[in-house]
Amino acid sequence: QKEVEQDPGPLSVPEGAIVSLNCTYSNSAFQYFMWYRQYSRKGPELLMYTYSSGNKEDGRFTAQVDKSSKYISLFIRDSQPSDSATYLCAMTPRNSGYALNFGKGTSLLVTP
Amino acid sequence: NAGVTQTPKFQVLKTGQSMTLQCAQDMNHNSMYWYRQDPGMGLRLIYYSASEGTTDKGEVPNGYNVSRLNKREFSLRLESAAPSQTSVYFCASSHNSNEQFFGPGTRLTVL
Repeated sequence: QKEVEQDPGPLSVPEGAIVSLNCTYSNSAFQYFMWYRQYSRKGPELLMYTYSSGNKEDGRFTAQVDKSSKYISLFIRDSQPSDSATYLCAMTPRNSGYALNFGKGTSLLVTP
Repeated sequence: NAGVTQTPKFQVLKTGQSMTLQCAQDMNHNSMYWYRQDPGMGLRLIYYSASEGTTDKGEVPNGYNVSRLNKREFSLRLESAAPSQTSVYFCASSHNSNEQFFGPGTRLTVL
């Protein structure tokens, strides 16, 4: 069993919808949680970064971490066709220079 | 700044051939990483280098070797390529944080 589980989708929503993306994990040592966005045939880019439990908001994006349930979420409000991409969760026990554990990624399609 | 650059962008090898994937970053980052990405498997870490002069195995190191040539460059070598190594390879770097910056990837096919 992988340490990080993520539903690969695909997830298709209409423009303007609220999107919820999720990951679960098994390693209680994970403290730092990230969401990366990857457009087709490109490298991943960091979207959101959180430490420990709680919420973090950045524009239309909100990242949520529930360490007691070992569950993290990314919410996208007012979704746009430009949000169509694969979203990868990642996590690690340390704050720098350490390997990230990635989920398999969820493919999202936002239709006009 | 070019960020993280990778060469080549595409490569086709025959089974048993060797090759080196090159990666360079111009952000003065301490740490560098090599990942492979396969359909349905996500990103898997092959090797990483937390600082110049050190390298460590990741989740899938078998069949690969790495060299941290200097602070800027981190190469990945396939000594005897196998069809199972057909994949997209990403190099990444980071500096005192978990924000990893990724290169554009190398698409490798082994026949």
